[in-house]
Amino acid sequence: GAGVSQTPSNKVTEKGKYVELRCDPISGHTALYWYRQSLGQGPEFLIYFQGTGAADDSGLPNDRFFAVRPEGSVSTLKIQRTERGDSAVYLCASSLTGTGGPTDTQYFGPGTRLTVL
Amino acid sequence: DAKTTQPNSMESNEEEPVHLPCNHSTISGTDYIHWYRQLPSQGPEYVIHGLTSNVNNRMASLAIAEDRKSSTLILHRATLRDAAVYYCILRDVRRNTGNQFYFGTGTSLTVIP
Repeated sequence: GAGVSQTPSNKVTEKGKYVELRCDPISGHTALYWYRQSLGQGPEFLIYFQGTGAADDSGLPNDRFFAVRPEGSVSTLKIQRTERGDSAVYLCASSLTGTGGPTDTQYFGPGTRLTVL
Repeated sequence: DAKTTQPNSMESNEEEPVHLPCNHSTISGTDYIHWYRQLPSQGPEYVIHGLTSNVNNRMASLAIAEDRKSSTLILHRATLRDAAVYYCILRDVRRNTGNQFYFGTGTSLTVIP
């Protein structure tokens, strides 16, 4: 079946520009997660959605980062006034319930590689 | 969630068993042990999880120490496709604010043909 998809696969932008990254989770999954992965590091949690609401945004680094999931399926991560330090792979994952139970496996997309020049 | 410690890298010969260690000395009684792996240029994928007892699935086995302060992911017969970064993650099942994971840097496994 279809997995988690992310678009675009690569995004190159200039410092100061605005970017949007899209995530299509697995159909029926109520939980959606965004992570950021810098070179040589493990994924870093950014934000978690339960349905349409952001249940935990404690990982967002600052107010330039914002994410939405208006209909409880597709999510968009928005970055304003991009900086070179924002360059990373942005990963999206979804899980069936997000309840925190051990069987609530996360399924990851391939990521969007963002490069800020 | 408690932290884990893993070796930065390991090597294995193809078709040999691989034992990937993970230390978690501050684990709590309600922390589940999860293993994910990340193949090159892909997102992480689930491998296995456990609480106290050893676990087996089609991908791997998980051996958990009796005191739960360490665990070992066992790949019974490494193939070239198993070359990946392996992450050991603890997740407190009592948390009700989602299933978000806090990854470390993992172990980069190289499989030698």
